[in-house]
Amino acid sequence: KAGVTQTPRYLIKTRGQQVTLSCSPISGHRSVSWYQQTPGQGLQFLFEYFSETQRNKGNFPGRFSGRQFSNSRSEMNVSTLELGDSALYLCASTYDIGGGVGSYNEQFFGPGTRLTVL
Amino acid sequence: KNEVEQSPQNLTAQEGEFITINCSYSVGISALHWLQQHPGGGIVSLFMLSSGKKKHGRLIATINIQEKHSSLHITASHPRDSAVYICAVSPTNFGNEKLTFGTGTRLTIIP
Repeated sequence: KAGVTQTPRYLIKTRGQQVTLSCSPISGHRSVSWYQQTPGQGLQFLFEYFSETQRNKGNFPGRFSGRQFSNSRSEMNVSTLELGDSALYLCASTYDIGGGVGSYNEQFFGPGTRLTVL
Repeated sequence: KNEVEQSPQNLTAQEGEFITINCSYSVGISALHWLQQHPGGGIVSLFMLSSGKKKHGRLIATINIQEKHSSLHITASHPRDSAVYICAVSPTNFGNEKLTFGTGTRLTIIP
């Protein structure tokens, strides 16, 4: 079974631009979470999507948004990029049959997208 | 104060040594996770536990719910164990999709 894939792996943008990152979960996984990792703040939860709906959200400004498609693939978008948005963005997928606030199954992480904002 | 604290931040040891990394948390949890991150960024889930002890090969993870403390042990450490080890928790009433992370422990094993 293929693992979680993220594209692109590396991205360089300039301040003010916007960016879209993509995540394809493991086949059969309907939950996708997104995380930001920076040297200063470490790993932080951005948001989670399940069955095309945002189910959980972290403490990030509205410039950070996401969506999930019917095939469970997810995208996250950052608008009006700032220097501080430079980070490794990780997604993770989980098998969840739904009906609750979340799953107690293991999360599987993708390799990440390293975003550099100049 | 961070909800999840790890110690030590950095650890250097000789090959073969017994390694212990500690994690303390201040919130109610439904599960605690130990993750491994190699240079380049990829994260692998090592353990997910809510009570007791789990063992996988040379790795052992324990958790004490009353004391809100967990430890990750590596026996017979090897240079390939060099990585950042991250403790994360799933807060009570949430699933594993929403994790709160410690700052990580950078482990270096010298041959």
